[in-house]
Amino acid sequence: EVQLVESGGGLVKPGGSLRLSCAASGFTFSNAWMSWVRQAPGKGLEWVGRIKSKTDGGTTDYAAPVKGRFTISRDDSKNTLYLQMNSLKTEDTAVYYCTTYCSGGNCYWGQGTLVTVSS
Amino acid sequence: QSALTQPPSASGSPGQSVTISCTGTSSDVGGYNYVSWYQQHPGKAPKLMIYEVSKRPSGVPDRFSGSKSGNTASLTVSGLQAEDEADYYCSSYAGSNTLGVFGGGTKLTVL
Repeated sequence: EVQLVESGGGLVKPGGSLRLSCAASGFTFSNAWMSWVRQAPGKGLEWVGRIKSKTDGGTTDYAAPVKGRFTISRDDSKNTLYLQMNSLKTEDTAVYYCTTYCSGGNCYWGQGTLVTVSS
Repeated sequence: QSALTQPPSASGSPGQSVTISCTGTSSDVGGYNYVSWYQQHPGKAPKLMIYEVSKRPSGVPDRFSGSKSGNTASLTVSGLQAEDEADYYCSSYAGSNTLGVFGGGTKLTVL
């Protein structure tokens, strides 16, 4: 059974940093393209970014609102995906979901972790 | 990349069918057969219901079906049940150098 478990969310002040983790199990993590998707309170889904598998180059792509501030990385030895978030803004407040990227979309989703950016 | 256009709400009575549309452009929905649909109940994570326009993941009831015509994709829920009441989002692949695009979501109410 595929499981994605996010952690690391919490309350942070504007301008601060936070690192989210996503522990994966139930599939071959090293072969998977992985993504982060967020959802602001009461709003719709929004892409954060995606990382390809190392065999496919391991490159990353980011949505315009987070480019240059957020970094996605992976540790295939630990089956873990990361999202480093710097220079956080109030508009980054959202539930952040870790997902497996497949067939042009998001096949499996974690339960999400809430990030609140507020002074 | 502009968001895909979905109606904000849809409704139907138990046993009826309802169709939710998702309109994009030739650069996303119309250009690729990579449209997905997600169901999200309040306070829960989204769940994949349809991928590659019309394919159902294992475990998704066959009451859920997807289709596409031109730049518009559609999700049809047949034989509506109370548990189908949820938010539904579409998404589309939009090329190798982009992340793709989501729709704004449709709240489905079972009357």
